[in-house]
Amino acid sequence: KQEVTQIPAALSVPEGENLVLNCSFTDSAIYNLQWFRQDPGKGLTSLLLIQSSQREQTSGRLNASLDKSSGRSTLYIAASQPGDSATYLCAVRPGNTPLVFGKGTRLSVIA
Amino acid sequence: EPEVTQTPSHQVTQMGQEVILRCVPISNHLYFYWYRQILGQKVEFLVSFYNNEISEKSEIFDDQFSVERPDGSNFTLKIRSTKLEDSAMYFCASSYYLQSPLHFGNGTRLTVT
Repeated sequence: KQEVTQIPAALSVPEGENLVLNCSFTDSAIYNLQWFRQDPGKGLTSLLLIQSSQREQTSGRLNASLDKSSGRSTLYIAASQPGDSATYLCAVRPGNTPLVFGKGTRLSVIA
Repeated sequence: EPEVTQTPSHQVTQMGQEVILRCVPISNHLYFYWYRQILGQKVEFLVSFYNNEISEKSEIFDDQFSVERPDGSNFTLKIRSTKLEDSAMYFCASSYYLQSPLHFGNGTRLTVT
């Protein structure tokens, strides 16, 4: 059974800092991996999708990498801003089956 | 940008009552999902729906749950007889292809008293 773990559970950084959020999964046979952002009491906003054949995806200040063989993904946020404060969720798709989510990393960016 | 919309945003119901949660997926999407998130826990898959039938469901999705796409635009989740442990945020999602990014709605917070 696929398990997704995100470390750290919470992170607090000063504005302007570059940071890395980590995601690991137990079964490397995934179809793709998706990073989401969740604001308190809100839905999930898709940030980046990496297909299993890809190594990374970039969108603005965000860069997600995937190392399928080691079961790891990282989300890199450059020049963090207070507006980046949210919970970041990693989810993997194990083949043609539904997404399996991690518990998330709660990020606070302090002005 | 098209989005998934869910109503109501918050529903309070008494134990044993039936509730229907409503969703309007993105119009050209073909795959529809319900997920839930109990406070402080992971987002969990409930059910996926494609071509007017359930394509997959989790252990959580027992006989008390049902889904319907009654009119080609709405996608509903019915809980027949709610329990206290059904209290959670329920998210609807849709995607164009099976492997496309999922787009989520803002959720319905269900509180069972």
